[in-house]
Amino acid sequence: EVQLLQSGGGLVQPGGSLRLSCTASGFTFRSYAMSWVRQAPGKGLEWVSAFSGSGGFTHYADSVKGRFTISRDNSKNTLYLQMNSLRAEDTAVYYCFVSGDSKPWGQGTLVTVSS
Amino acid sequence: NFMLTQPHSVSESPGKTVTISCTRSSGSIAGNYVQWYQQRPGSSPTTVIYEDYQRPSGVPDRFSGSIDSSSNSASLTISGLKTEDEADYYCQSYDSSSWVFGGGTRLTVL
Repeated sequence: EVQLLQSGGGLVQPGGSLRLSCTASGFTFRSYAMSWVRQAPGKGLEWVSAFSGSGGFTHYADSVKGRFTISRDNSKNTLYLQMNSLRAEDTAVYYCFVSGDSKPWGQGTLVTVSS
Repeated sequence: NFMLTQPHSVSESPGKTVTISCTRSSGSIAGNYVQWYQQRPGSSPTTVIYEDYQRPSGVPDRFSGSIDSSSNSASLTISGLKTEDEADYYCQSYDSSSWVFGGGTRLTVL
């Protein structure tokens, strides 16, 4: 069964850091580009970052560039999102998914940035 | 970067057909694949169309996708509407360095 299982997230103060994880199963993880997307409360989907399946290319939305870092460990079938210098506007549910594919998305994890 | 513009909401009766549009602001709509996602309240999005018109297994053939280069837009058409189709729908595409989602369309089946 194809599955993306997310972990991490929670409550953090402004300026703090968090790391999200997304562990894949049921498909050849290293062959696929992966992305992070977020959804603020009551809002639409916003793309955050992507990591190519091969070549190691990474891309970021302007809103997170310089603060967030996407990475992957193909030996662990895991995608990461390191989030630093967090702001209130980063509060959202974060999802991982296989870029441009029909595979199921992760279950989502809530990140709340508040003092 | 480009934008994808969707209608904020659409509504239609059960059994009817509805089409949701997604217009690309710059760059060719045909130049990069378009995906469509369905999101029900409290759930993760699921893919209903990928690579412009491909339908994942398990998605009924009532869902179809198309591209119109003349209007630089993509469309999601749902025929034989069912109450279970009521959800938010998002289009998504990309260019060389970024992925973009449309603002989402709330489909009401009443």
